[in-house]
Amino acid sequence: DIVMTQSPLSLPVSPGESATISCRSSESLHHSNGFIYLDWYLQKPGKAPQLVIYLGSNRAFGVPDRFRGSGLDKDFTLKISRVEAEDVGVYYCMQALQTPAMYTFGQGTKLEI
Amino acid sequence: QVQLVESGGGFVKPGGSLRLSCAGSGFRFPEYDMTWIRQAPGKGLEWLSSITSRDYASHYADSVKGRFTISRDNAKSSLFLELNSLRVEDTATYYCVRGGHFNGYSFFYYGMAVWGQGTTVTVSS
Repeated sequence: DIVMTQSPLSLPVSPGESATISCRSSESLHHSNGFIYLDWYLQKPGKAPQLVIYLGSNRAFGVPDRFRGSGLDKDFTLKISRVEAEDVGVYYCMQALQTPAMYTFGQGTKLEI
Repeated sequence: QVQLVESGGGFVKPGGSLRLSCAGSGFRFPEYDMTWIRQAPGKGLEWLSSITSRDYASHYADSVKGRFTISRDNAKSSLFLELNSLRVEDTATYYCVRGGHFNGYSFFYYGMAVWGQGTTVTVSS
């Protein structure tokens, strides 16, 4: 099974600063179709998770361009520029290479201000 | 408005059963793969099971294989999860999630863009 490892697990930042979350996969997430099957989700306190980035670098509908996903093969990064109070919550990376047969989440990174 | 609404959660004793339901609206339900994901209290997200739109193929995490059964009723835009032989460690919030899209010709994955609000299952003696 593909294992996803995130770091750090806790990330305190000040408003206006940048935040970077890393995610490493135990296997390459580069599909033969050319896409990178890595998503990022944010779970705000008391809410269901919401999609932030899909296929490695594509922002979901309504996600501001302060959010940037990048990476290839096994190493991925979510960068949040100019952090705002509404960005707090737990960020999860998730591999979808084997969609729909299996998905795996990272442990989550708690972003707090 | 695109929406998923779960129901059926509750309190059950170990060894008991529950049936979770999820009603989809605002999108062409039959064209989407559907998934159940859960979150134990204070823990992370765990994929449980998915069912495809094309051939109703089902897939399960090892932790629930043989105990949980996923199904769908496209005519009613509904997704189900039958939970049997429940254990204390199955206590969690269960989310219904929309996955990849098949338009009859091609499959597209745009992330899991639609989540329900979750339904809570508590397994305790």
